[in-house]
Amino acid sequence: EAGVTQSPTHLIKTRGQQATLRCSPISGHTSVYWYQQALGLGLQFLLWYDEGEERNRGNFPPRFSGRQFPNYSSELNVNALELEDSALYLCASSLTTASALSSYNEQFFGPGTRLTVL
Amino acid sequence: DAKTTQPNSMESNEEEPVHLPCNHSTISGTDYIHWYRQLPSQGPEYVIHGLTSNVNNRMASLAIAEDRKSSTLILHRATLRDAAVYYCILRDVQRETSGSRLTFGEGTQLTVNP
Repeated sequence: EAGVTQSPTHLIKTRGQQATLRCSPISGHTSVYWYQQALGLGLQFLLWYDEGEERNRGNFPPRFSGRQFPNYSSELNVNALELEDSALYLCASSLTTASALSSYNEQFFGPGTRLTVL
Repeated sequence: DAKTTQPNSMESNEEEPVHLPCNHSTISGTDYIHWYRQLPSQGPEYVIHGLTSNVNNRMASLAIAEDRKSSTLILHRATLRDAAVYYCILRDVQRETSGSRLTFGEGTQLTVNP
C-alpha cells in the first residue's frame, strides 16, 4: 500500500514569491495535517484538514493557507515568502478523527518537501 | 497542551535494551501518551501509544507510571536502525479540534553504537 506522498521533494524560491506544496494521503484517510520543521525550531503544527474543511491551525500567519480537495489530497500555499520560511514541510494523514475521538488514529507522515527561500 | 520533558540525548550499544524516559507531570486524565520517532532525512513515524496500562507492540514497549506523571519507552534490543530522535507527545483525543494535532517537543536523540 502506498504511503503519504509529497511533491515536490525540493523547492527553491526567492523572497516575496509564493510556494505551493502538495500532499496525497494514504488511500482511505480523510484527515491531512501539515507541519513545519525549521532548523532550531523543531516540528510545529501548521494546519489540519478533514473532509475538505480546515479544522484547526497552528500559530502561523494567514499567509500560510491551504485546502483539501474532494479526493482528500491537499495543498499548502505560502504567500509572500520570507527567509525564515525555509524549512522541511511535512504532511501526515490519518483516518478521520471526527468520528473517532475516543480512540486513536495514528498519523502517517510523508517524506516532506524541503523549501528554501533565497 | 500539557508539556513533556525528555533528555536531549542518550546513547546505547547495539543489541542492548534502551530505556527512554519522559516526564509529563501536568498530564490530564484524558491525555494519551504517544511516541513517535524520526529517522535521519525522514518524516516521523508512530512507535506506540497508551493511556494507563503498559503496552507492547512489535517495535517497543511503553511503561506508564501508576500516577501517569512519567513514562518510559523501551526498545528491547537496539539496532543501528533505531538511531533517531524519539518524541514523547501527549494528546487529548477528546478535544475535537486541538486534540487531533501532535505537539512535538525537542525529543531525545538516540545514538546506537555498533
